[in-house]
Amino acid sequence: DTAVSQTPKYLVTQMGNDKSIKCEQNLGHDTMYWYKQDSKKFLKIMFSYNNKELIINETVPNRFSPKSPDKAHLNLHINSLELGDSAVYFCASSQTSGGYQETQYFGPGTRLLVL
Amino acid sequence: AQSVTQLGSHVSVSEGALVLLRCNYSSSVPPYLFWYVQYPNQGLQLLLKYTSAATLVKGINGFEAEFKKSETSFHLTKPSAHMSDAAEYFCAVILSNTGKLIFGQGTTLQVKP
Repeated sequence: DTAVSQTPKYLVTQMGNDKSIKCEQNLGHDTMYWYKQDSKKFLKIMFSYNNKELIINETVPNRFSPKSPDKAHLNLHINSLELGDSAVYFCASSQTSGGYQETQYFGPGTRLLVL
Repeated sequence: AQSVTQLGSHVSVSEGALVLLRCNYSSSVPPYLFWYVQYPNQGLQLLLKYTSAATLVKGINGFEAEFKKSETSFHLTKPSAHMSDAAEYFCAVILSNTGKLIFGQGTTLQVKP
């Protein structure tokens, strides 16, 4: 009964490959997010979607493309992977009908290593 | 622009000692503030949040934080550290118009036996 789940948990791949990370939440939330945690553990938002509409799109290379098929899913596709993309990627969700200040619930993370 | 600063990237305490993790914020509007904990190789778990209802906020696992507007601080405390408290702690402020969470740099808490 995991609230926010991500697959895969670990991802090891070669430079130049294309990969996707999937996120699903069963909390009934209407907003989902992607965060990147670098090797120094610094966390930064990448994207957010509200009911399949893009809300936040930070300065992220256009090799990263989020896709939200429905409000319970937010996937992250990365083209032409680079060494610097190695990081932990976290998905999160929140219910924002009462406002965007509501608590975000995080998934377990996907550890991406680009060789 | 809103931001948070965590003072001390690494804090070490003895088991049973007071835990104090410092967070200062910068905001032109009343902030919504959060403390999250990250255990090794896990996701972030909410400890507590401040939403202006009360300045002293109690969270899970015996943690609490006090919002002090005059000091622009939201320090996290626990009276008695337990070995299981060893983790990375993040203070964060949220932009209420977009939901963008802005995190501090994180503080690693080490608990010595």
